[in-house]
Amino acid sequence: SQQGEEDPQALSIQEGENATMNCSYKTSINNLQWYRQNSGRGLVHLILIRSNEREKHSGRLRVTLDTSKKSSSLLITASRAADTASYFCATDALQGAQKLVFGQGTRLTINP
Amino acid sequence: NAGVTQTPKFQVLKTGQSMTLQCAQDMNHEYMSWYRQDPGMGLRLIHYSVGAGITDQGEVPNGYNVSRSTTEDFPLRLLSAAPSQTSVYFCASSLQGAYIQYFGAGTRLSVL
Repeated sequence: SQQGEEDPQALSIQEGENATMNCSYKTSINNLQWYRQNSGRGLVHLILIRSNEREKHSGRLRVTLDTSKKSSSLLITASRAADTASYFCATDALQGAQKLVFGQGTRLTINP
Repeated sequence: NAGVTQTPKFQVLKTGQSMTLQCAQDMNHEYMSWYRQDPGMGLRLIHYSVGAGITDQGEVPNGYNVSRSTTEDFPLRLLSAAPSQTSVYFCASSLQGAYIQYFGAGTRLSVL
């Protein structure tokens, strides 16, 4: 079963614009993570937000978490061509660090 | 550090054949996991291990075996390959109790 549902499935924007993608999940969590996957590569961790946090920043990334709505958003500001990738949210669903559940991902394309 | 290394990168099998996907990490991580990634499905957990000699099933364990004789290695065995096992397989590792996972580059498997 998929804990995380991501929206949109695909997003195409111009370089320099902001990109926002959303993740909804079904059960309570301890934390939520976002990962990036470049084409043909493994996933790379971007940011982790704990259930008692509402917003977190890392460079051009801004993540929000609304536990009452069971949703999170990832904002990438001032996008670059190198941001072209798939982005996945992952939750623990209170099952521990070893049982992450990933969403289906958002495919982001940055057009020059 | 090489991080998480997976071999082979590509493999084609015939139905009924068996094979082992290799995964090795040099970060002294206690936790290791195997995921499969299918189009539109995100990553699904196959098996995981919290230390040498300890393994457990994930969401989709059927048709796969694992063992963990050393901290560094966590091979995934396909006992009798089926077309439904055509997928991209990722190995990941993390520190004990840590939620952030480090991924290998993946093995793309086709079963004909």
